[in-house]
Amino acid sequence: AQKITQTQPGMFVQEKEAVTLDCTYDTSDQSYGLFWYKQPSSGEMIFLIYQGSYDEQNATEGRYSLNFQKARKSANLVISASQLGDSAMYFCAMRWGGSNYKLTFGKGTLLTVNP
Amino acid sequence: DAGVIQSPRHEVTEMGQEVTLRCKPISGHNSLFWYRQTMMRGLELLIYFNNNVPIDDSGMPEDRFSAKMPNASFSTLKIQPSEPRDSAVYFCASSFYPDTQYFGPGTRLTVL
Repeated sequence: AQKITQTQPGMFVQEKEAVTLDCTYDTSDQSYGLFWYKQPSSGEMIFLIYQGSYDEQNATEGRYSLNFQKARKSANLVISASQLGDSAMYFCAMRWGGSNYKLTFGKGTLLTVNP
Repeated sequence: DAGVIQSPRHEVTEMGQEVTLRCKPISGHNSLFWYRQTMMRGLELLIYFNNNVPIDDSGMPEDRFSAKMPNASFSTLKIQPSEPRDSAVYFCASSFYPDTQYFGPGTRLTVL
């Protein structure tokens, strides 16, 4: 069964510092995709970044980067230069090759950025 | 460009009433998803449409839930009759299969 694990229920970071949010996954498929979404207190789900299982380079989108370690089955999100507006819930999700359309979500990590 | 549009944003109803949630996907997207988010169960996929056809409804909790997609720009999720345990945030998401899913703002449903 496909599974996403986010082991950090909550994280704190000082403004302007970098923070890493952990995500590990379990799948036997060779073809899969990994996503990170942000959910601020207002409730919307905002797509941040995507990594395909065959991508050799780590994905980057502005201040967001995905530290993809395929052998360890981890896909950690790195946020550089944290801002107060980064305070939110962050979800890791996986789409696997056997069922391309379905996203399996982790339970999320609540990030708080302190001034 | 407009994102996924959902209405209403908030719905408060009494147990036993019919509830209809609406979704307009991003223009050009061919896949539409309905999710439910609760504290206990997290984000759950309820049903998925591809080219307006329901592909997988295995996540629909029970017969009280139904979903339709009469055309490429509109979908509904109906609960009849509603129960307090249906209280949740319901998200609609769309994608151009099999790419990234983009979520709407959600509908917060409260069933009293």
